[in-house]
Amino acid sequence: QSVLTQPPSASGTPGQRVTISCSGSSSNIGSNTVNWYQQLPGTAPKLLIYRNNQRPSGVPDRFSGSKSGTSASLAISGLQSEDEADYYCAAWDDSLNVPVFGGGTKLTVL
Amino acid sequence: EVQLLESGGGLVQPGGSLRLSCAASGFTFSSYAMSWVRQAPGKGLEWVSTISSSGGSTFYADSVKGRFTISRDNSKNTLYLQMNSLRAEDTAVYYCAQSNVVVTTIYDYWGQGTLVTVSS
Repeated sequence: QSVLTQPPSASGTPGQRVTISCSGSSSNIGSNTVNWYQQLPGTAPKLLIYRNNQRPSGVPDRFSGSKSGTSASLAISGLQSEDEADYYCAAWDDSLNVPVFGGGTKLTVL
Repeated sequence: EVQLLESGGGLVQPGGSLRLSCAASGFTFSSYAMSWVRQAPGKGLEWVSTISSSGGSTFYADSVKGRFTISRDNSKNTLYLQMNSLRAEDTAVYYCAQSNVVVTTIYDYWGQGTLVTVSS
């Protein structure tokens, strides 16, 4: 059971906008920034969004992140087939004093 | 270009030991904290361990504390994970990852991973 809760799956059609949620608590998302990782099939995770809403160099602006209270969201607009991947949220947990990940959301592009 | 290359994975019996290595290049290795994150087959990501840039501070998940030891050799730009008393539940792909600081979940770069299988 992951400390951060994500829906196991999400889907959308090309061009659509999809959002993936990440729910936590006051000890993690509520008091720390959230980061998102994209894991394409058979590859290592890649940093997608950091500090809630910042994009590393090279990440398209179709990807955006937000945080409110103890929840965070990743939005992907103009969905493309190459966005089909697993997405993970992560945050530091002040109570456990460790980094924690969500269980991951498998995004399918229909 | 930052590169992280893990090695040392393989098949080991329950109770056995294995040492993973992560060779780093393309950045000043001694300036960055390093971590191990694992992923069991078909499962999500799980943080395993982190070491500070100097190697003076180490941190472990409860699931591996007392069995795994993280270390680094800054002269060789290499990160290690010594895994003892291995259990079936340690079966996973192990990734090394780079971060600016210890207390973070911002892992800027990841290796390609090395598979550890614990089975008799």
